[in-house]
Amino acid sequence: DTEVTQTPKHLVMGMTNKKSLKCEQHMGHRAMYWYKQKAKKPPELMFVYSYEKLSINESVPSRFSPECPNSSLLNLHLHALQPEDSALYLCASSQDRASNQPQHFGDGTRLSIL
Amino acid sequence: GENVEQHPSTLSVQEGDSAVIKCTYSDSASNYFPWYKQELGKGPQLIIDIRSNVGEKKDQRIAVTLNKTAKHFSLHITETQPEDSAVYFCAARWLMEYGNKLVFGAGTILRVKS
Repeated sequence: DTEVTQTPKHLVMGMTNKKSLKCEQHMGHRAMYWYKQKAKKPPELMFVYSYEKLSINESVPSRFSPECPNSSLLNLHLHALQPEDSALYLCASSQDRASNQPQHFGDGTRLSIL
Repeated sequence: GENVEQHPSTLSVQEGDSAVIKCTYSDSASNYFPWYKQELGKGPQLIIDIRSNVGEKKDQRIAVTLNKTAKHFSLHITETQPEDSAVYFCAARWLMEYGNKLVFGAGTILRVKS
């Protein structure tokens, strides 16, 4: 069982909807990540939070809005998404952003945009 | 930037045989190399990692070797079992000007036939 918990597991939404993805970890990790994974492809980094502050935004469109309310929680707010945004959204965490710290992934939210 | 190439893209082995997956990276400054296993409907699971000050690491049936001079690293699975069937991703930690990120290989689909 993964120690990074993501909800919901599946989400279907229309292009005009607003929804949020949630991620939680209780390992005391201070770095948290959002990745996007298309079918048969590797994960692609979207955002990095370090000590609850956004430290990397990989030029992600503004219709994706991350939020880190505290050291255990990470949200991804979705608004006006496009069909090509359908993918598996993965959250990960690591002890900190040091270069040799392993990242642990959740099982993701499978998002479908109608 | 960092580029990670992974081969083969698919690998079929008979149960009990060994499986080897190879990756090469481009940035000699990369110093951390994790391997992830992703089963259907799950997130990537860290199975082993190696840091650049080590040439080899082993954990039961799984081993990773690193050749810094040639900039390549390999995953070795011995005595394969049907439950080893999954997609395997290698990654390299790329040290950027404003932080660091994991750069993933394209993945290898491993099928273990019983």
